[in-house]
Order: sequence, then C-alpha cells, then structure tokens
Amino acid sequence: QSVLTQPPSASGTPGQRVTISCSGSSSNIGSTTVNWYQQLPGTAPTLLMYNNNQRPSGVPDRFSGSKSGTSASLAISGLQSEDEADYYCAAWDDSPSGHVVFGGGTKLTVL
Amino acid sequence: EVQLLESGGGLVQPGGSLRLSCAASGFTFSSYTMTWVRQAPGKGLEWVSAISGGGGTTYAADSVKGRFTISRDNSKNTLYLQMNSLRAEDTAIYYCAKADLDFWTPRYGYWGQGALVTVSS
Repeated sequence: QSVLTQPPSASGTPGQRVTISCSGSSSNIGSTTVNWYQQLPGTAPTLLMYNNNQRPSGVPDRFSGSKSGTSASLAISGLQSEDEADYYCAAWDDSPSGHVVFGGGTKLTVL
Repeated sequence: EVQLLESGGGLVQPGGSLRLSCAASGFTFSSYTMTWVRQAPGKGLEWVSAISGGGGTTYAADSVKGRFTISRDNSKNTLYLQMNSLRAEDTAIYYCAKADLDFWTPRYGYWGQGALVTVSS
C-alpha cells in the first residue's frame, strides 16, 4: 500500500479533460512539493511536472498540476491517444526517516 | 546529452548478491544526487536509495536497509547498488535516475533504461 494514494485507473475520450488525484499527509505533500511522472508502456518513467505545477521543456501545456493542503492533482485537457500511460505522483516524506514516496500509479485509458 | 546506462542485472537465487552499475555521461556527475528506483513486474514505482554528489550522504528505503548499499565512483562517473540477502520480492526492473536538485526533491529529469533483477531458485 502506497503512502500517496492515487486512483488505480482513469479514462476519457479524445478531447476530454481528465484529472488524476494524489492524496498524502502532512509529512509529505503537506510540507513539500509534488512531482509527476508519465510512464508509457514498456519504457522508463519521464518527468511530467515538478514543483506542483511546473512543466519541463517539451511537455505540452495540455498538462497542468496543482496542490492544495495534503493533496495534489494532475489535469490533462484535450486528451489524446498518446496520453495513454501510467501516471505517478512523488514527494519527499519526513517520517520516520527521510525518504521519497511514490503514489501507486494511475493507468489512464483513452477510449 | 545526458545518458544513464544500467548493467549487472540478471537471475540470482534467494539469499544471493548482485551489484548493479549505472554509467553516466553528458553532465558533471559529481555535482548531482543520484537515485535508484525499482518497479516490480506489473507494479508501481518504488524508491530504493539515493546518494549525494560527493557520496557522503545516503538514504535508503526501509525495505532495503541493511541489505542494499548505494555508492558511487565519481572518477568513473558510475553509480552502484550492492544488493545482498536478496529476496523474491526484490524482483524488479531497477532504474537509476539523476536528481535535478537535492535529496528532498524527487525531481528526476533523466532515467536509465533499467536493469532487470530476478530473484528465484
């Protein structure tokens, strides 16, 4: 069971907007920034969002991130077939000793 | 161009040992925190361990503490993961990744292609 909680699956049709949530606690999301990763089938993860809402160069502005309290969200607007992938949130956790925690991952299906 | 290339994966019996290597190029290796992240078959990502640029500070997940040791040789631009007392649940693809900032920010802008470790008799 992951420290950060994500829905196991999400889906949408092309052009729709979908949101993926990531719920944590005061020892992780509540006290630090959240990063998001996209993992296409059979490949290594890639950084999709950092500092809650910053996109690395090359990431389309269809992707956006937000954080409020102990939860974060990743939104994808104008859904495209190539967005079908697994998405993971990640944050530093202070307790009991410092370590990085990932969400369990959300498999996004484009219908 | 940043490149990370893992090697050393393979099949090992329970209780055995294995050392993974990650050869880095395209950046000043000694200036960056490096990390290992693993992914069991069909499962999600799990952070394993991290080491500071100079090698003096390390962190490890509770699941591997006392069994896995992260280290680096900055003269060879290489990151290592020594894995001892391996268990079936350690079976996974092991990725090395470059941290863009520090330990406390899991912002990994570059990842290797991964090395498969299978623990089975």
